Order: sequence, then C-alpha cells, then structure tokens
Amino acid sequence: QLQLQESGPGLVKPSETLSLTCTVSGGSISSSSYYWGWIRQPPGKGLEWIGSIYYSGSTYYNPSLKSRVTISVDTSKNQFSLKLSSVTAADTAVYYCASPEGVRGVILGWGQGTLVTVSS
Amino acid sequence: DIQMTQSPSSVSASVGDRVTITCRASQGISSWLAWYQQKPGKAPKLLIYAASSLQSGVPSRFSGSGSGTDFTLTISSLQPEDFATYYCQQANSFPRALTFGGGTKVEIK
Repeated sequence: QLQLQESGPGLVKPSETLSLTCTVSGGSISSSSYYWGWIRQPPGKGLEWIGSIYYSGSTYYNPSLKSRVTISVDTSKNQFSLKLSSVTAADTAVYYCASPEGVRGVILGWGQGTLVTVSS
Repeated sequence: DIQMTQSPSSVSASVGDRVTITCRASQGISSWLAWYQQKPGKAPKLLIYAASSLQSGVPSRFSGSGSGTDFTLTISSLQPEDFATYYCQQANSFPRALTFGGGTKVEIK
C-alpha cells in the first residue's frame, strides 16, 4: 500500500517560488505502474491538477500553470518535488501529492495534503 | 482541453434518499471517468472507475453509469457517512491531462 507524505514551507511570499517534496513509502517511485503528481485545492474550492511525472522523467503539466511549474523525481530518495514560481495569493491552496495509476488514470494514493499560504 | 461540468453544485437530501449527480465532458471520453468522495480536511477517495466499476471496498449503494460525454453517479440510499463533496475526473487524456469536475456537495436536508 503506497503512502505519500508532503513536506515544505506553509508560508511563501508573493513573487517567490513554492517548493514541496513528496516522500513515497510502501513502494518504489521507479515502479512502471504509477505516475507521480500534484493536485491543489484552494480553500473552499475544487480540485486542480497541476502536473505529473513518470519515473523516467517524462513530465505533463496543466497548460494554465505550465510556464511556472517544474516537477522532478529523485529515485535515490524515493521522492518527487514541485516548484511553482512567481506565486500570488491565488496560489494559496492545500497541495496534495498523488500517485495516478498508469493503466486506469485514477488516483488511489494521496498524501494528506499541506496548506500553503502566499502572503507577505 | 477537455472540460468537465458537474451538476448540481449542491444538493440537499435526507438519509435514505436516492441521490443522482451528473457530469458532462466537453468532448467524448469513452468510459474514462472516475468518481471521488471528499470529506472536509481529507484527501479524495476513489469510488468508481471506468464510469461504472466499483472500487474495492466501496459500498454497493454507489453506482456509476454513462459513456461518451454524459455520466451519472447514483447513491441508492443515502447514509449519514455519505454527506460529502463528490468530484468526477476524466482519464481519457491521461497522462497528458487529468481534469476534475467542479464538485457536488451533498448536504443534510
């Protein structure tokens, strides 16, 4: 059973870069069965897919965020990371890391979520 | 890009009621649709995949139907633990994209 855990600052200043890491346990991030992704949810609003990465390094980003997003994987640490640059208050959200299944394209494994607030 | 539209955005219902939520895709997605349940402060939980397949461990009062552009999630007899927000998600264009509907909040009447 995959377990995912987000870590990173809960407060980021406007115009700076949001950085989060997701640590995967209970399985290998090099598994061909999964992609590794980030999804966010602004307070009181719906879910927004940010992007996904495969263990090979192939990345897929939401077009609306693509210019500001970088997702990377560190197989030696069984971790993957999110960087979102030039943040504004609109980027305030709970950020979830997740493991979409390659075959079904659905998400069974989720992190608990971490609230990131953009404020000076 | 495929857009997913859910309706209604909220529904008030009583325990024992039958509840139906709809999800419409902006273009055909075959049966590449999933449904999730989210409770406050928690990550979403997968209920249905491939439009109508029940995820292991999910009660049989949940069912899904549809294909192409129109889909439904039905809760046959609403239970107290079912009050939550429900999201559809298209997987037709995965991994290039993964799109959620706007959500439907099921509230106590």
